Amino acid sequence: EDQVTQSPEALRLQEGESSSLNCSYTVSGLRGLFWYRQDPGKGPEFLFTLYSAGEEKEKERLKATLTKKESFLHITAPKPEDSATYLCAVQEVGGGADGLTFGKGTHLIIQP
Amino acid sequence: DGGITQSPKYLFRKEGQNVTLSCEQNLNHDAMYWYRQDPGQGLRLIYYSQIVNDFQKGDIAEGYSVSREKKESFPLTVTSAQKNPTAFYLCASSNPGAPVSEQYFGPGTRLTVT
Repeated sequence: EDQVTQSPEALRLQEGESSSLNCSYTVSGLRGLFWYRQDPGKGPEFLFTLYSAGEEKEKERLKATLTKKESFLHITAPKPEDSATYLCAVQEVGGGADGLTFGKGTHLIIQP
Repeated sequence: DGGITQSPKYLFRKEGQNVTLSCEQNLNHDAMYWYRQDPGQGLRLIYYSQIVNDFQKGDIAEGYSVSREKKESFPLTVTSAQKNPTAFYLCASSNPGAPVSEQYFGPGTRLTVT
């Protein structure tokens, strides 16, 4: 059973059409939840860390929120340059430096 | 500028050959990681190291080996025992002493074995 599930797998939006990406997780104790952006053929780029339910963080057109079971990445008035795969990852309590558990990602395409 | 470098960007090998992927970081991070990425799958952890001269197996360590002789370097060897070595390999580092430790990734090495 996957500990981190992202939906949808792919999303195509028109430029300016706002939407949200979902990341649900089933770890027993969450130490942190991370969002990354990955462009084709490149390494993931760190976006946000969320620590506790109710927390929100923003960067340009992106806002990440966290509840006890899921996180949302809201994208407002997206532009074509926001096209990328967005990855969600979690770190469990006691995980330390044991690595992150990643979801499979949401492939986002913004059409001009 | 601080960051993580991986070389080469593309690597081609014949089946049965061992190959070593390089990863160097100048972020002064203690922990380093190797992940493998395949189409349609999430990143999977191969090996990680929290300190020099110490490393642990991740979820898919079979057919791989690592060393950590210097804080800055964490090379990964893909051996001939790895059944499906063709993949995109990502190196990352973090500072696990922080309360929550996000990982920073290198640009990746795409390995093709034929």
